[in-house]
Amino acid sequence: SQQGEEDPQALSIQEGENATMNCSYKTSINNLQWYRQNSGRGLVHLILIRSNEREKHSGRLRVTLDTSKKSSSLLITASRAADTASYFCATDPISGNTPLVFGKGTRLSVIA
Amino acid sequence: NAGVTQTPKFQVLKTGQSMTLQCAQDMNHEYMSWYRQDPGMGLRLIHYSVGAGITDQGEVPNGYNVSRSTTEDFPLRLLSAAPSQTSVYFCASSHPKRGITEAFFGQGTRLTVV
Repeated sequence: SQQGEEDPQALSIQEGENATMNCSYKTSINNLQWYRQNSGRGLVHLILIRSNEREKHSGRLRVTLDTSKKSSSLLITASRAADTASYFCATDPISGNTPLVFGKGTRLSVIA
Repeated sequence: NAGVTQTPKFQVLKTGQSMTLQCAQDMNHEYMSWYRQDPGMGLRLIHYSVGAGITDQGEVPNGYNVSRSTTEDFPLRLLSAAPSQTSVYFCASSHPKRGITEAFFGQGTRLTVV
């Protein structure tokens, strides 16, 4: 399987705390993306980081990428109850003409 | 724009029945894909298409067929449903050649095979 792995599988934090999720992948990539899925809904794109970038910010989201270790992390700062969802990383393989490869996800619960 | 539309939202099938899950997108995206989502397994790729008339297999293609006769539509056919195909199915589209590498997802079809 080409699937990546998120770590941890589940995370429970208090509102206002920071949440960090990690992703490891197996192949060379063009970019890595993070998605969010609310319960029972489709996935929504959050942020994309290209293979030549090391860090990217978008609002309360901070993504890092280490291509030498084939790993990425997603940091959500000052979390809110509304951030409760599952988060998935997805890699765009450099081999081309193939869809995104998704990890297994991290379930984040933010307790008010 | 409606984005990616999947129908039906819910379906119950008996073992051995066949059915087609519909997926349509109105963004003129070239790439379309079908994933299934099972607890603890994340999203696994079933089939995908990089343009009308072109399809290819993903990680878990057995028991499913696809065709892509138009840019807009990418139906997924279950030939003879089995309980192992109980899952949530997601269709997604993107257009890498226009720089749209992020995937746009439908709301999913929850399928139960009894």
